Amino acid sequence: GAGVSQSPRYKVAKRGQDVALRCDPISGHVSLFWYQQALGQGPEFLTYFQNEAQLDKSGLPSDRFFAERPEGSVSTLKIQRTQQEDSAVYLCASSLTPGGFNEKLFFGSGTQLSVL
Amino acid sequence: GENVEQHPSTLSVQEGDSAVIKCTYSDSASNYFPWYKQELGKGPQLIIDIRSNVGEKKDQRIAVTLNKTAKHFSLHITETQPEDSAVYFCAAREAAGNKLTFGGGTRVLVKP
Repeated sequence: GAGVSQSPRYKVAKRGQDVALRCDPISGHVSLFWYQQALGQGPEFLTYFQNEAQLDKSGLPSDRFFAERPEGSVSTLKIQRTQQEDSAVYLCASSLTPGGFNEKLFFGSGTQLSVL
Repeated sequence: GENVEQHPSTLSVQEGDSAVIKCTYSDSASNYFPWYKQELGKGPQLIIDIRSNVGEKKDQRIAVTLNKTAKHFSLHITETQPEDSAVYFCAAREAAGNKLTFGGGTRVLVKP
């Protein structure tokens, strides 16, 4: 596709429910990142994939958060037993080169998660 | 890890005036500094970036300057227009890593 696509656009979950957020990166992009953006703040790093390998998951806030990219293209961010503090916009980004080193990062429009 | 501070948090300018946003970073090893514009309901969009071997870069009405010694970089928007109204984020990438660390954002309002 022309850009990074994320779905759903909005997700409302009851506290304790599991959610799955999908990201379709730009075709051919090797690097994929997930960021969390709280209201009124800058994006914060969650995790990074190079193809199907998850090379950095240092930003995942708890073991309730899990991300995968099994075939090196589409990625899913899963949050188990959602809590109110998980409410945020979840942004996916991709870049062309391995490691994204000095390479431009393209963001999707995000999934806005609201946990009630 | 890297820490990026951004100022001001809000900026109101008259159409046609200039806007300046400043950021500081903590890790002297960081070598890539992009700026993103985020409009309501959309993801951040890259508007300009600068690498650590360059002191200044310009693209039409937008320019970025980098002072490696002082560990700060700035975004300059000249001849502002109403469509420049948005939230702007600076970011820095560590040389040894892959992730971007973002500043807290600046909400820019251009008044017609």
